[in-house]
Amino acid sequence: DTGVSQDPRHKITKRGQNVTFRCDPISEHNRLYWYRQTLGQGPEFLTYFQNEAQLEKSRLLSDRFSAERPKGSFSTLEIQRTEQGDSAMYLCASSLELATNEKLFFGSGTQLSVL
Amino acid sequence: DAKTTQPNSMESNEEEPVHLPCNHSTISGTDYIHWYRQLPSQGPEYVIHGLTSNVNNRMASLAIAEDRKSSTLILHRATLRDAAVYYCILREDKIIFGKGTRLHILP
Repeated sequence: DTGVSQDPRHKITKRGQNVTFRCDPISEHNRLYWYRQTLGQGPEFLTYFQNEAQLEKSRLLSDRFSAERPKGSFSTLEIQRTEQGDSAMYLCASSLELATNEKLFFGSGTQLSVL
Repeated sequence: DAKTTQPNSMESNEEEPVHLPCNHSTISGTDYIHWYRQLPSQGPEYVIHGLTSNVNNRMASLAIAEDRKSSTLILHRATLRDAAVYYCILREDKIIFGKGTRLHILP
């Protein structure tokens, strides 16, 4: 069990650029979640996958955000035409969802700064 | 929106017990109560969860009210390393976090 891995740890980009983050969940975990967190706030739900299927996407998520989990293993989160308001910590979590009481394991996050 | 309410912050002295309250008056019969904590510059980590009965593990204890409308996370002997934001959550398909309780430990 190597834990949830996120890459990169930090990303600085200019407004208008596209960025992509990667999340490698714990092996055999079928659920994968993306969250966004700004300073002083709790993590905000963005989307989650059951294997390769994206089951829900937050209505707060603009069309500039897209997430994939093509083979049911790692996932990518892409933000197109970044804005300064996208600056946040992006967290990934995974769980082995056999029942609704399974605990989530979080990665250390990707800190995005949009200049 | 989060379905739980917690105090914004609490303080405790080192090596004393800490009781972190959480209200979840709209809890349904099948909702599990989960607690996570987030240390500075880290992702949240699981602490404990329960359904109806009180639960203990190496990190903490969880006391659940008989009507399940509230719960309390108990740290039996707080250390400086327990300073974190603690989140009380009702477990659904997606976990919705509130702002949590920021716990300060005084040496």
